[in-house]
Amino acid sequence: GAVVSQHPSRVICKSGTSVKIECRSLDFQATTMFWYRQFPKQSLMLMATSNEGSKATYEQGVEKDKFLINHASLTLSTLTVTSAHPEDSSFYICSAIDRVGTDTQYFGPGTRLTVL
Amino acid sequence: AQSVTQLDSQVPVFEEAPVELRCNYSSSVSVYLFWYVQYPNQGLQLLLKYLSGSTLVKGINGFEAEFNKSQTSFHLRKPSVHISDTAEYFCAVNRPFYKLSFGAGTTVTVRA
Repeated sequence: GAVVSQHPSRVICKSGTSVKIECRSLDFQATTMFWYRQFPKQSLMLMATSNEGSKATYEQGVEKDKFLINHASLTLSTLTVTSAHPEDSSFYICSAIDRVGTDTQYFGPGTRLTVL
Repeated sequence: AQSVTQLDSQVPVFEEAPVELRCNYSSSVSVYLFWYVQYPNQGLQLLLKYLSGSTLVKGINGFEAEFNKSQTSFHLRKPSVHISDTAEYFCAVNRPFYKLSFGAGTTVTVRA
């Protein structure tokens, strides 16, 4: 149980284009999902909290117009990197908490974004 | 504020030897602690968690951790490692609104 998927697993795009990453909870309903960014050999940096049916809450220093988050259903959250630039290249990981509220985050496998 | 410090950035260990990964936390609220493992180019997998109750927590893959409130520690141990345990290990503590604060990570390299 508690499986989270991400799509795509890897994406390469040209500078200036937008990229959408999907995060799905496969066997549970997730009222809350989180988006992280991880640079090579570093820890996870929380970008934003995504709540179903409401606006995302962004961490300090994260541009909300750059990283658009939508949580349209209890099993799907999307992160759109708008007008991507090479410095946006990173490993993006999502996580989800089930409705029971067990204080446990279940993580997706991550998406490797490379902006040329 | 809630934070964790992982005291070892890299831990080389021989196969079948024991390993201990150290984690100290700081928190002003009730503490929930987690250990996650990350294999190359993958997401994080939960190894074990402490929410309450017994201070000795057993997890998957033969790992265990002990919550020590007086020393504010949550060290991870395995009595005998395998090559497949080579990975990055993250300690995490809860923050308000279900958020987590992660440590910097410990790279475990198991050699034959």
